Amino acid sequence: AQKVTQAQTEISVVEKEDVTLDCVYETRDTTYYLFWYKQPPSGELVFLIRRNSFDEQNEISGRYSWNFQKSTSSFNFTITASQVVDSAVYFCALSEEGAGTALIFGKGTTLSVSS
Amino acid sequence: SQTIHQWPATLVQPVGSPLSLECTVEGTSNPNLYWYRQAAGRGLQLLFYSVGIGQISSEVPQNLSASRPQDRQFILSSKKLLLSDSGFYLCAWSVGLAVYNEQFFGPGTRLTVL
Repeated sequence: AQKVTQAQTEISVVEKEDVTLDCVYETRDTTYYLFWYKQPPSGELVFLIRRNSFDEQNEISGRYSWNFQKSTSSFNFTITASQVVDSAVYFCALSEEGAGTALIFGKGTTLSVSS
Repeated sequence: SQTIHQWPATLVQPVGSPLSLECTVEGTSNPNLYWYRQAAGRGLQLLFYSVGIGQISSEVPQNLSASRPQDRQFILSSKKLLLSDSGFYLCAWSVGLAVYNEQFFGPGTRLTVL
């Protein structure tokens, strides 16, 4: 069974704080893909990153960084020096190569950044 | 560049009334198209996907149906709405299978069934 768990329902931080959003997944496949999406108050989901199961290199993009650890089945997302514009709901998602087109989303983490 | 449109943006409908939500994609050909529902406080649930005109796959049994009359048009319908159909409906597209490729989402339609 596929499952994506985002245990943090809501996180509140003050501007310039670093914040990490956790994502733990379950899969029996050896080939799978992990995604992060951002949903600002406007509602539209914005793609942030895709990582395949064979690439465990951490990635950094500006203030965003992702830590993929297969040993703990986690794909955590860190925002450095958070800003008010980072306030949004963030979703982690999983797809498996053998599962057709299914993209399984976690329930999301609501991040609130105050000034 | 590719863009995806959804309308209406918001909709309030009485129980038992019909529904038609439309999604169109511009700037790409033969996209894979998807309908998701996001209920309050919950994640996104895939409802339907389509890999081509007239080809619809349903992920969950429900009161809704989907159609793809044109390459870049995807329609979500219901003959009689239920209270449980309330939610935020998102259309998305991808190039090729979503397993490998990111999906791009539209602005969504917020449906309230009273």
